[in-house]
Amino acid sequence: LAKTTQPISMDSYEGQEVNITCSHNNIATNDYITWYQQFPSQGPRFIIQGYKTKVTNEVASLFIPADRKSSTLSLPRVSLSDTAVYYCLVGDDVGGATNKLIFGTGTLLAVQP
Amino acid sequence: DAGVTQSPTHLIKTRGQQVTLRCSPISGHKSVSWYQQVLGQGPQFIFQYYEKEERGRGNFPDRFSARQFPNYSSELNVNALLLGDSALYLCASSLGQTSGLSHGYTFGSGTRLTVV
Repeated sequence: LAKTTQPISMDSYEGQEVNITCSHNNIATNDYITWYQQFPSQGPRFIIQGYKTKVTNEVASLFIPADRKSSTLSLPRVSLSDTAVYYCLVGDDVGGATNKLIFGTGTLLAVQP
Repeated sequence: DAGVTQSPTHLIKTRGQQVTLRCSPISGHKSVSWYQQVLGQGPQFIFQYYEKEERGRGNFPDRFSARQFPNYSSELNVNALLLGDSALYLCASSLGQTSGLSHGYTFGSGTRLTVV
């Protein structure tokens, strides 16, 4: 499975847009890109998943360039409650043999008032 | 609808003891996975069970074992506990063996195990 690289931490202020970039240079053709959010003492929560170009849902957008070697999670107008660790994962997640999620160390996003 | 439930929420054990952690998946989900999360690190895959059969195993010693019951609930057992087994143990459920596009795995809040 492809290895991912993310910044260890990021700081932001309430109301700002936050972009967290993840590098995955060895992503395979069948791999999807998935982002999870985790609050302290809770399990990770699925945020968004994509394969290429742009995906948007009610909480975030995911931008994936044509070469798919990186991806950017965009959180619009963050609030204090968005302070959490964000994980980028890549893997064959649809009907494939892979049945495990490989988490890196994630990005700790700290939102200030 | 109830989410993924895990019990107990917290547990303190002594080195050398054995522990059993329990997980109930979301109703209708047939797959349960177990993860270990040490403080400051991301979750590490331990096991996946689907339709009561082991479908995947991570790089953990044989002291770790698990099983899935006919109602799709699962237990994780750890024997001969070491201090390094202290961690948050997470259970995740999914409808099928893989999470499927746009659905993802649903995690419980975990069991905090402390080995002293």
